[in-house]
Amino acid sequence: DARVTQTPRDKVTEMGQEVTMRCQPILGHNTVFWYRQTMMQGLELLAYFRNRAPLDDSGMPKDRFSAEMPDATLATLKIQPSEPRDSAVYFCASGLTTPGGETQYFGPGTRLLVL
Amino acid sequence: GDSVTQMEGPVTLSEEAFLTINCTYTATGYPSLFWYVQYPGEGLQLLLKATKADDKGSNKGFEATYRKETTSFHLEKGSVQVSDSAVYFCALSDHPLNSGAGSYQLTFGKGTKLSVIP
Repeated sequence: DARVTQTPRDKVTEMGQEVTMRCQPILGHNTVFWYRQTMMQGLELLAYFRNRAPLDDSGMPKDRFSAEMPDATLATLKIQPSEPRDSAVYFCASGLTTPGGETQYFGPGTRLLVL
Repeated sequence: GDSVTQMEGPVTLSEEAFLTINCTYTATGYPSLFWYVQYPGEGLQLLLKATKADDKGSNKGFEATYRKETTSFHLEKGSVQVSDSAVYFCALSDHPLNSGAGSYQLTFGKGTKLSVIP
């Protein structure tokens, strides 16, 4: 049963530190999404890749967040420097675009706490 | 822009009760519709989907029918179990040309927390 994997599952860090979250999409999927979930804002789209190319990162704070796909099996989301307001659960999702549309499959998330 | 509205929770039901969670949407084109479920401490799992009008998605006893005339996609289950306790999210995905977004991004409702008591 193919699944999206994310590491780490939990991360506690101090304000100002760099945080890197990793995602392995489902083999064969050509799209990767990064979402952030908080109680106040719900689910927010941060970035989107298709065929490893970044197509939409309008939801991401550009000054401190960056997202990359070094290869088809790895997507990364980096926060530098981290701030307490970045505390949230970060989800990666992958999907396959077909003429009929797209279905996204989510990873288990990385729970980030910035002190 | 696209939007999804689902009923406010939390919803508390007794085991074996009938479940309905209402979901309505606004979209420019003909979106695909989804229900995702999030169990405590876990990620979102796709529960069911429908890609065109009058389609019925079903899985694990849950059903939802894509109603274009009422722009709705209500989730139903005839007999809930304690293990169904979770947060349920209604979502839509519209073609980028219709939504104006750069992708088939999902537009989510705020989620409905369901608690089933024995």
